Amino acid sequence: DIVMTQSPLSLPVTPGEPASISCRSTRSLLHSSGHNFLDWYVQKPGQSPQLLIYLAYNRASGVPDRFIGSGSGTDFTLKISRVEAEDVGVYYCMQALQTPPFTFGPGTRVDIK
Amino acid sequence: QVQLVQSGAEMKKPGASVKVSCKASGYTFTAFYIHWVRQAPGQGLEWMGWINPNSGGTTYAQEFQGGVTMTTDTSISTAYMELSGLKSDDTAVYYCARATYGTSGYQHLDNWGQGTLVTVSS
Repeated sequence: DIVMTQSPLSLPVTPGEPASISCRSTRSLLHSSGHNFLDWYVQKPGQSPQLLIYLAYNRASGVPDRFIGSGSGTDFTLKISRVEAEDVGVYYCMQALQTPPFTFGPGTRVDIK
Repeated sequence: QVQLVQSGAEMKKPGASVKVSCKASGYTFTAFYIHWVRQAPGQGLEWMGWINPNSGGTTYAQEFQGGVTMTTDTSISTAYMELSGLKSDDTAVYYCARATYGTSGYQHLDNWGQGTLVTVSS
């Protein structure tokens, strides 16, 4: 199975400042189609997870443009250009290339300093 | 709008079974796969499997094979996840999620249910 890791696991942020989360996989997530099968989800406090980014850099419907996904192969990054208070939550990356199983990273908890 | 509404919390004894439902609305039920993901208290997300409502075909994570059964009733746009032989470490919130199936076999989970807490305790 592909194992996903994330860093940091905890990220205190200051509103208005940028924030960045790294996600790595044990195998390349680059499909022959040229797409990386890597998604980002966020779980806000008390809520269900929700899709944030798909195929490494595509924002899901309604996601603000301050969320930027990048990377290819085994190394990916989620950047928040200017953190807002509503961005607090746990961010997960998930690989969708070698399935089953789909595998999630351990999650990065983002909270306000 | 797309909605997935799950059944209510359950409390079960070890060895029992639980069946969680997930009622879909706002889209053509048979056109999208349904996945199940669970989250133990204070832990991360664990993928369990998926079902194709159109064919009834299923794919389960290896660790759940033999213990989980996913089904659908297309007449009422509802998916079910049944877990048998419950143990205390099956205590978790269970989520259903709709998967958009793209080209090349890619899927992402674009809508999630509200979650169902299953507590296993003697």
